[in-house]
Amino acid sequence: NAGVTQTPKFRVLKTGQSMTLLCAQDMNHEYMYWYRQDPGMGLRLIHYSVGEGTTAKGEVPDGYNVSRLKKQNFLLGLESAAPSQTSVYFCASSSGGKVNTEAFFGQGTRLTVV
Amino acid sequence: GDSVTQMEGPVTLSEEAFLTINCTYTATGYPSLFWYVQYPGEGLQLLLKATKADDKGSNKGFEATYRKETTSFHLEKGSVQVSDSAVYFCALSAAMDSNYQLIWGAGTKLIIKP
Repeated sequence: NAGVTQTPKFRVLKTGQSMTLLCAQDMNHEYMYWYRQDPGMGLRLIHYSVGEGTTAKGEVPDGYNVSRLKKQNFLLGLESAAPSQTSVYFCASSSGGKVNTEAFFGQGTRLTVV
Repeated sequence: GDSVTQMEGPVTLSEEAFLTINCTYTATGYPSLFWYVQYPGEGLQLLLKATKADDKGSNKGFEATYRKETTSFHLEKGSVQVSDSAVYFCALSAAMDSNYQLIWGAGTKLIIKP
C-alpha cells in the first residue's frame, strides 16, 4: 500500500531558486495538507485543500504556493527559496474535516536552502 | 487560540522502564486528542486517539486518557522497548474555517537504551 508519497526526499537549493514538491495519495481522500517541521516547533500548517481545485492558507503560508488540479495530487511550490525555508516538509491527507479524523503522512522532504 | 504543550525531550529510559510523556492542551469547544509517533526517517503515524472526556485510547501497549478537568492527555506505557525509540507528538483537533485542523505539540524525543 503506497498511501501518501512525497517526491523528492531530499533537495538542496540555492537562495532564489524555485522548486516544486509533489505529494500523491491513493486513498481517495478529499483533504490534503502541507506542513513544515522545525526543531522544537512541532508541525506548522502551510496550506491545505478540502477538495480538487480548492486551496486555503494555513498558519505559515508566506513564500509558498500550492495547487490541487487532481484529487490525488497536491503540489507545494517555492518561487524564490530563502534560507528560512530550510525545513522538513510533510504532506498529509485525510478523509474529511471532522473532529476525530485521522491524518496519514508521507515520509517527508528534507529541504536545505543555502 | 488553541494550543498543545508537551514535555521537552529527549527522554532517556532503560528498557522495561515505565514511560510517561506529559501533554496538556488549551482549547475551546470539544476537541479530539491524538498521539502520533515518528520513527527515524519516517513520516508521522497515528498511535492512538480519544474523542471525548474520560475516553482512553490505547495501541501497542501505549495508553492515554482524555482528562477534561486537568486538560491533559498524558501518554503512558508500562514497559518500554528499544523499538519504541521515536519522536512522539500530541495533537488536538481545532475548528478552522468550518472544518477541523490538527494543532501540534513540539514533539518529545524518546530514547530507550538496552
